Amino acid sequence: EVQLVESGGGLVQPGGSLRLSCAASGFTFSDSWMSWVRQAPRRGLEWVANIKPDGSVKNYVESVKGRFTISRDNAKNSLYLQMNSLRAEDTAMYYCARDHVVYADASDIWGQGTMVAVSS
Amino acid sequence: DIQMTQSPSSLSASVGDRVTITCRASQSISNHLNWYQHKPGKAPKLLIYATSTLRSGVPARFSGSGSGTEFTLTINSLQPEDFGTYSCQHRHSYPITFGQGTRLEIK
Repeated sequence: EVQLVESGGGLVQPGGSLRLSCAASGFTFSDSWMSWVRQAPRRGLEWVANIKPDGSVKNYVESVKGRFTISRDNAKNSLYLQMNSLRAEDTAMYYCARDHVVYADASDIWGQGTMVAVSS
Repeated sequence: DIQMTQSPSSLSASVGDRVTITCRASQSISNHLNWYQHKPGKAPKLLIYATSTLRSGVPARFSGSGSGTEFTLTINSLQPEDFGTYSCQHRHSYPITFGQGTRLEIK
């Protein structure tokens, strides 16, 4: 079964850190661009970052540059998002997704999400 | 950054209705526009990519059109399971951005 499962979310104080993980199965992870997308409460979807299959290229939305780092371990079929210096505005459900060239790089597989709450 | 603006923000329609959602880009994005459906507690689902190509398995009552800066998602003969939030997304350049979403309620 094709699947993405996120983990690592939780409640953290402003200025704190969290590391999100995304476990992939059912497809060739090492051939896939992967993204993190978030949705804050009562807000729309927001693309956060993506990473090339070999990890050599990473792109970020401006608001997380210098604070978040996307990475992957193809041997473990896993995607990560290291989040540092967290702010209240980072509170959101975080989804990992596969971006597939067959679908013009649209995200065709999504996880169920992991919730991050930044609050004192 | 390219801004994506959807209209309306919400709508209510009846089973069997035809529904149209519009997405406008702040600059030309060619046909690099995708549509997603998102239901509470579930993963977003890709419906249409490259403006008008229906993803396999998505009912044919969904269709997309447009180019440049103006795009539409049309749902013909609305079904009860079509409730949820619909979001457009451009893949023209970085940063990738989404529209704010259109919440569709079934009357």
